[in-house]
Amino acid sequence: AQKVTQAQTEISVVEKEDVTLDCVYETRDTTYYLFWYKQPPSGELVFLIRRNSFDEQNEISGRYSWNFQKSTSSFNFTITASQVVDSAVYFCALSGGSQGNLIFGKGTKLSVKP
Amino acid sequence: DSGVTQTPKHLITATGQRVTLRCSPRSGDLSVYWYQQSLDQGLQFLIQYYNGEERAKGNILERFSAQQFPDLHSELNLSSLELGDSALYFCASSVAGAGEWGSYEQYFGPGTRLTVT
Repeated sequence: AQKVTQAQTEISVVEKEDVTLDCVYETRDTTYYLFWYKQPPSGELVFLIRRNSFDEQNEISGRYSWNFQKSTSSFNFTITASQVVDSAVYFCALSGGSQGNLIFGKGTKLSVKP
Repeated sequence: DSGVTQTPKHLITATGQRVTLRCSPRSGDLSVYWYQQSLDQGLQFLIQYYNGEERAKGNILERFSAQQFPDLHSELNLSSLELGDSALYFCASSVAGAGEWGSYEQYFGPGTRLTVT
């Protein structure tokens, strides 16, 4: 069975702090894809990144970076120098090579205080 | 703006009623997915359509049904509504096709918030 675990339910930081959101996944597929989505207070789900199981290179996009480690089945997300606008619920998700639907974690609510 | 549209944005109805939620995918996307987000269950996959055909089912109740029309818009029909059906319903679309179902990101609409009273 496939599963995504986001152990951190809520995180609160002060602006400019760095914060890492953890994501651990379970799958028996050899080909799979990992995603992060952001859900701001307005409610929409915003796509942030996709990573396939064959590409373990870390990725950086501005203040955002992602660390994918197959050995520990983790796909962690770091926000550097957090800002109030980063306050949102962040979801990690998984899909298999033969299925299209996303399996989501429970989400981590990030609050960035000024 | 993801390019996926959903109507209505909010819906309030009574138990036992039937409602229809509508979704238009991004231009060019043939795959449409429906998800339900509730406080107790989180984000759960309901059903997927690809180019007019049902392709995959998730935790969709028998009281719920969906279809995708020739113009690729999709509708989710919820009937005999119960209080527990109150949730945010998302539609998502993707360019993914046969052999690459999971390999593309899905773009989500703004959601329809359903309140059953």
